[in-house]
Amino acid sequence: ETGVTQTPRHLVMGMTNKKSLKCEQHLGHNAMYWYKQSAKKPLELMFVYNFKEQTENNSVPSRFSPECPNSSHLFLHLHTLQPEDSALYLCASSQDGPGAAKNIQYFGAGTRLSVL
Amino acid sequence: RKEVEQDPGPFNVPEGATVAFNCTYSNSASQSFFWYRQDCRKEPKLLMSVYSSGNEDGRFTAQLNRASQYISLLIRDSKLSDSATYLCVAQSGGSYIPTFGRGTSLIVHP
Repeated sequence: ETGVTQTPRHLVMGMTNKKSLKCEQHLGHNAMYWYKQSAKKPLELMFVYNFKEQTENNSVPSRFSPECPNSSHLFLHLHTLQPEDSALYLCASSQDGPGAAKNIQYFGAGTRLSVL
Repeated sequence: RKEVEQDPGPFNVPEGATVAFNCTYSNSASQSFFWYRQDCRKEPKLLMSVYSSGNEDGRFTAQLNRASQYISLLIRDSKLSDSATYLCVAQSGGSYIPTFGRGTSLIVHP
């Protein structure tokens, strides 16, 4: 266990559905991240939050809407997704601050999303 | 665009072999470097950080060449359980946002 929990682990949704992915970290970290991982593609950084403030939005379509109510919780709200959005969505956290040790990313197990 | 480049492989090696992966990074301001391991259908996990002077952890050795902007990972005496994808990561000094490579696939066979 890495201390980062994601739910659900698997999700199948239609293009008209609305769903949310949840991430919770128990590590006392300040920064949280959403990544998308598609087959045969590198990890794509989607959003970054530091101390609950969004600091990075990597040109992600508006059908993905993040929410960070506090430093321990991160959500990704999904609506009107497309089949090409099917992928593994990974949440991660890090401590932040100077020094390599604080930059280590701790990942959750991911949500495997299929959009029909 | 700041990128990290890796040969996707796969590297197909027999048990006991020594295998090396290289990774190049384009951002000269990168200060922190890591290797992560990702097993099939699992999340990435830190394998080791990469220090300027190079570092070793058991059968794994990581090296950094700042002049040429590449890092390497050497695995000695490969085990079947080493089969995975190895992700290279570079991060700018003062930034908590990492850049991941696409990963190098290693398959160790009996």
